[in-house]
Amino acid sequence: AIRMTQSPSSFSASTGDRVTITCRASQGISSYLAWYQQKPGKAPKLLIYAASTLQSGVPSRFSGSGSGTDFTLTISCLQSEDFATYYCQQYYSYPYSFGQGTKLEIK
Amino acid sequence: EVQLVESGGGLVQPGGSLRLSCAASGFTFSSYAMHWVRQAPGKGLEYVSAISSNGGSTYYADSVKGRFTISRDNSKNTLYLQMGSLRAEDMAVYYCARELSGYDSWGQGTLVTVSS
Repeated sequence: AIRMTQSPSSFSASTGDRVTITCRASQGISSYLAWYQQKPGKAPKLLIYAASTLQSGVPSRFSGSGSGTDFTLTISCLQSEDFATYYCQQYYSYPYSFGQGTKLEIK
Repeated sequence: EVQLVESGGGLVQPGGSLRLSCAASGFTFSSYAMHWVRQAPGKGLEYVSAISSNGGSTYYADSVKGRFTISRDNSKNTLYLQMGSLRAEDMAVYYCARELSGYDSWGQGTLVTVSS
């Protein structure tokens, strides 16, 4: 099974900051990577798929990059509604696996 | 509008069984692979199981293999997860999700509590 490792697990930032979350796959997954945002008590929401394609309706301050084993999610200018937990997921091969999550908190 | 609505969660004793359902609407259900994902209280997301669009192929996480069975009824636009030999570690919110370059649509989740 492919293991997905995110870093950091949590961190604090301020509104307006630029933040980057990284995700590493234990083996190459081409660009079969998705990023999700989850707020407490809610289902996850797809932000980015195919490593860098923005899902319809997602603000352009979110961007993704990478291929192979190393990926990043960047939020260019944090808004209050962006404080949440973020997960990466590979859908290259079964079992599809998630990173452990990155909790983004207000500083 | 795509809608996925889970049901069937509840309290079950260790070793017991439960069947979850996910009713789909707003899209051609029979054209999509479907998945179950769970989230234990305060924990991250965990892939559970998947089924191909026609039901001919199924996939399971090692943690549930041999105990859970995924199925679908395309005539009823419904996805199922039959869970057996339930353990404390199976306690979680269970989500159904539609596969489209990742999971583009999710249900609201149904809580399964395993406790005596």
